[in-house]
Amino acid sequence: SQTIHQWPATLVQPVGSPLSLECTVEGTSNPNLYWYRQAAGRGLQLLFYSVGIGQISSEVPQNLSASRPQDRQFILSSKKLLLSDSGFYLCAWSGRQLGSSENEQFFGPGTRLTVL
Amino acid sequence: KNQVEQSPQSLIILEGKNCTLQCNYTVSPFSNLRWYKQDTGRGPVSLTIMTFSENTKSNGRYTATLDADTKQSSLHITASQLSDSASYICVVGLSGGYNKLIFGAGTRLAVHP
Repeated sequence: SQTIHQWPATLVQPVGSPLSLECTVEGTSNPNLYWYRQAAGRGLQLLFYSVGIGQISSEVPQNLSASRPQDRQFILSSKKLLLSDSGFYLCAWSGRQLGSSENEQFFGPGTRLTVL
Repeated sequence: KNQVEQSPQSLIILEGKNCTLQCNYTVSPFSNLRWYKQDTGRGPVSLTIMTFSENTKSNGRYTATLDADTKQSSLHITASQLSDSASYICVVGLSGGYNKLIFGAGTRLAVHP
């Protein structure tokens, strides 16, 4: 069976410090990978998605970047955190079936980031 | 602009009662509609997925309906349990591309004994 891991679970960082959040998926190959941010009282906002190693697409301009160094590893980074980067960050994966847009997305447990 | 709106924003019910959550969407091109359950501090978990041609889908005590003409969906919870306390998120998938999803803000449900 497939599982998705995220770490750390919680993180408190000062403004201006760097960030690295990691997501790994087990039990599947060539997944689509996604990074979302969830602000309080708001819907999930897609930040980045990846359809393969080294292939990253950004949905919104921001202070963050993403990388996919391995097939089942997705990393979210920042060189200098802003207060507005605080939130709940979720990684997700979906299968990749050609011609199908109903592929379910499976979410990780999330990382709660607080920037002070 | 693609949008998914949910109502009510929050809801309190007594254990054993039924409830219905609402979702309206303006999303194009529409592919599917999903309902997710999200426990506090956890990632969302899928309850149902419906395509354009499906009117209803059940998952245990959860029943989702879809009216593609009026662009409305509902999630009905029967015989609520304390463990149903969570946020319920309506999500619309776009056709084509990489499986892009548009998320509603969710309805926060509290089931009290």
